[in-house]
Amino acid sequence: QSVLTQPPSVSGAPGQRVTISCTGSSSNIGAGYDVHWYQQLPGTAPKLLIYGNFKRPSGVPDRFSGSQSGSSASLAITGLQAEDEADYYCQSYDNSLSGSLFGGGTKLTVL
Amino acid sequence: EVQLVESGGGLVQPGGSLRLSCAASGFTFSTYWMTWVRQAPGKGLEWVANIKFDGGQKQYVDSVKGRFTIFRDNAKNSLYLEMNSLRAEDTAVYYCARSATNDVNDYWGQGTLVTVSS
Repeated sequence: QSVLTQPPSVSGAPGQRVTISCTGSSSNIGAGYDVHWYQQLPGTAPKLLIYGNFKRPSGVPDRFSGSQSGSSASLAITGLQAEDEADYYCQSYDNSLSGSLFGGGTKLTVL
Repeated sequence: EVQLVESGGGLVQPGGSLRLSCAASGFTFSTYWMTWVRQAPGKGLEWVANIKFDGGQKQYVDSVKGRFTIFRDNAKNSLYLEMNSLRAEDTAVYYCARSATNDVNDYWGQGTLVTVSS
């Protein structure tokens, strides 16, 4: 079964750096398909945060960065702020499913 | 400004049908793939279906194949999701999203809630 695995939760104090992993397989990230990251603030629709593994849409602070290696990807957030408290999701295409796939989501708590 | 506005959600009995709509504005609708994503209460995002800019190609998650149909009307700048044989597990907020290259969903609507219950 094709899945993208994320940790259920991460936390950090204001000003710290946190990373969120997204582990896939040879049918998605490992096959070379791009990884995208979304931020979902409580009660709102998801918002695109990172696309194409590491690119930031206009307006997204450079505190947010993405990387990819092999079958995994990571989202890093530096200089944590209270407003970063949200759910974060990775997404990639999967050729065995012939469709896209989201990770299970990671809840970020700013202590 | 890109805007996506979903409508058509509501309460429906198991086995029933519902059609969701998504009105798009602020971009050339006929040149973009479009996607439906859902989120069950308290759960994560689930990709449901997408459709090519000309309607010529459609993809679905296995759990909705044969029950849901995605289609579009480029003359009306609208995306639709026809949902039949609805089950309790289809209960979710349904979002429409604009899809750019490499499957990235760069703009999202505010979502419409579908509740399947007797």
